[in-house]
Amino acid sequence: DTAVSQTPKYLVTQMGNDKSIKCEQNLGHDTMYWYKQDSKKFLKIMFSYNNKELIINETVPNRFSPKSPDKAHLNLHINSLELGDSAVYFCASSQFGSRSGNTIYFGEGSWLTVV
Amino acid sequence: QQPVQSPQAVILREGEDAVINCSSSKALYSVHWYRQKHGEAPVFLMILLKGGEQKGHEKISASFNEKKQQSSLYLTASQLSYSGTYFCGTEVRGSTLGRLYFGRGTQLTVWP
Repeated sequence: DTAVSQTPKYLVTQMGNDKSIKCEQNLGHDTMYWYKQDSKKFLKIMFSYNNKELIINETVPNRFSPKSPDKAHLNLHINSLELGDSAVYFCASSQFGSRSGNTIYFGEGSWLTVV
Repeated sequence: QQPVQSPQAVILREGEDAVINCSSSKALYSVHWYRQKHGEAPVFLMILLKGGEQKGHEKISASFNEKKQQSSLYLTASQLSYSGTYFCGTEVRGSTLGRLYFGRGTQLTVWP
């Protein structure tokens, strides 16, 4: 069973379209994240939810809107896609307050290409 | 806030050793190390929580010097499977827990 799963894995779409990426974790974690990895492999946090509450909201265009219906799911909706949005988007999860530290587990990634 | 990793790239023969360094300008709560193979997700290697802590994972180990705000990842007797990009992620003291700032990565290539 995949611990953090996201769909779709590959997405090719035209500029101006709206698209969503879904993420689910079965680790029982209370915190979920969206990270973006650009073509130079730079990994940067976008959003984080703890028990469905938004706790990290980096400087991201408001065309990006996360939604957490419950603590096992975190979706990312992107409006009016632009060429610069092309990247790999990783969902991740962790358990806050763990004695062994806030280990973050990543999903397999969603490769978004905007043409 | 982003840590600095060095070197940017390392090329090794099987069986050789390597050290990857991660340095922050901020006081750190923890340092995380990940390995990412091409086209795959970053995979967790280890987390270091306390200054001076050292951890091991097979022939991969790491240390954390809290005073110097630095961590080093040691790969000994490297294997072909060690190839990939290694990232350190830092949790900065006073910042939201879970907010990891990642370095630019170190590309490690192991040749037979």
